Order: sequence, then C-alpha cells, then structure tokens
Amino acid sequence: GENVEQHPSTLSVQEGDSAVIKCTYSDSASNYFPWYKQELGKGPQLIIDIRSNVGEKKDQRIAVTLNKTAKHFSLHITETQPEDSAVYFCAASIANSGYSTLTFGKGTMLLVSP
Amino acid sequence: DVKVTQSSRYLVKRTGEKVFLECVQDMDHENMFWYRQDPGLGLRLIYFSYDVKMKEKGDIPEGYSVSREKKERFSLILESASTNQTSMYLCASSLGRTSGSYEQYFGPGTRLTVT
Repeated sequence: GENVEQHPSTLSVQEGDSAVIKCTYSDSASNYFPWYKQELGKGPQLIIDIRSNVGEKKDQRIAVTLNKTAKHFSLHITETQPEDSAVYFCAASIANSGYSTLTFGKGTMLLVSP
Repeated sequence: DVKVTQSSRYLVKRTGEKVFLECVQDMDHENMFWYRQDPGLGLRLIYFSYDVKMKEKGDIPEGYSVSREKKERFSLILESASTNQTSMYLCASSLGRTSGSYEQYFGPGTRLTVT
C-alpha cells in the first residue's frame, strides 16, 4: 500500500519567515495530494490540494509543489503569522471517479513566534 | 457550511465494553470515513463507506466494525473495547462520485479512553 513520509515533525519559525514542509510517497499511481491543517481541539481542514497533472499551485500565502518523478511534494507558507501555528498533514491518494482514501503523513507541528 | 458532528467529545469506557461512536453529516455527502489519530502516527483509516449499507476496510480495521443505515449517519463500533483502542477518533465525509471533489470534511473528534 501507499506510504507517506513527512518532515520535519516540528518546525519553529519567526513571524514573517517562510516555512516549508516536505513529503514523499511510495505509490507512483497516486494522483491526488491534499494538505490539511489541524488547529488545537479541531478536526483537520483542507488548505490546499494538487493533482498529478499540475506541478505547482498557489493560494495567497500558501503554495504546493509536486515532483512526480521524485515522488515528493512540498507545502510552502510565506510571511508566516501566529495564526498559522497548527499541525499540518500531507496525504496521498489514488483518486478515482467516486472517492479517494487518503494515506496521511505523521504530521508537522508548526510554531510561529511573534 | 458543511457540518460533521460527532456524538461525544470525550468518552471513558471500561475494557470489554461495547462502544458506539456516532457521526452525522448534514450535506448529503455520499462518502464517510472513520480515522484514529495517535501522537506520532498521524491519521489512520479504519473504515469507510461510499454508500448507504456499504462499507470497506481501511488500513486498521481489526477490533472495529461500522454501520451505515442512513446516508447522513456513520457509526463506529468497538465490539469489546481494549486499552490499545484509547485514541482520538475522527469522522469525515466527502461529496461523491459525480462531484469531482475529494475534499474530506472532518468532525471535531472524540477522545476515547479505555480503562
């Protein structure tokens, strides 16, 4: 089955700095790669996703890049703010016409200090 | 807004008890999922359902069963709770086969402690 490795497990940055979280996956058939943010006491929430026919996607301060050849994808957060502090999970999936089951990485705790 | 609700935020049960965790979504989603979340292990899929009365095993189904009698409700059942099932349980839902969207919407979680 699919295996997703995520690094680092914790990341501390100063407000305004950039943060990068990296993931690798094992199944070359995976074609859907979402990123979820989990704030304390809440369930994870999708922040951005990318499909295998695209190399990069941006949404304001957040971007995701995908390298299919190397089987890795990364989350980039620019101009970090204290409210970005949370646990971030990457996931990989073979998305078919009906549903996708996600294999998650183990998570990265991001702490943004003012 | 999509809302996924879980019956309890905190639950304490004894070893050997039968435990029911309930999840309800209000957006007519076809797909529903149960995960457990443990520190350092991330989220792991227990079971999922893509239609009423349909269920599929995830990565760690042992010791669990599920029930989906109505589209909006997905129940996770621990037939005989054990201490190694102490965990945070997360329910999620997603649209379905005609939507082209795979976004999963999560509930707030149930923290289950088995003593």
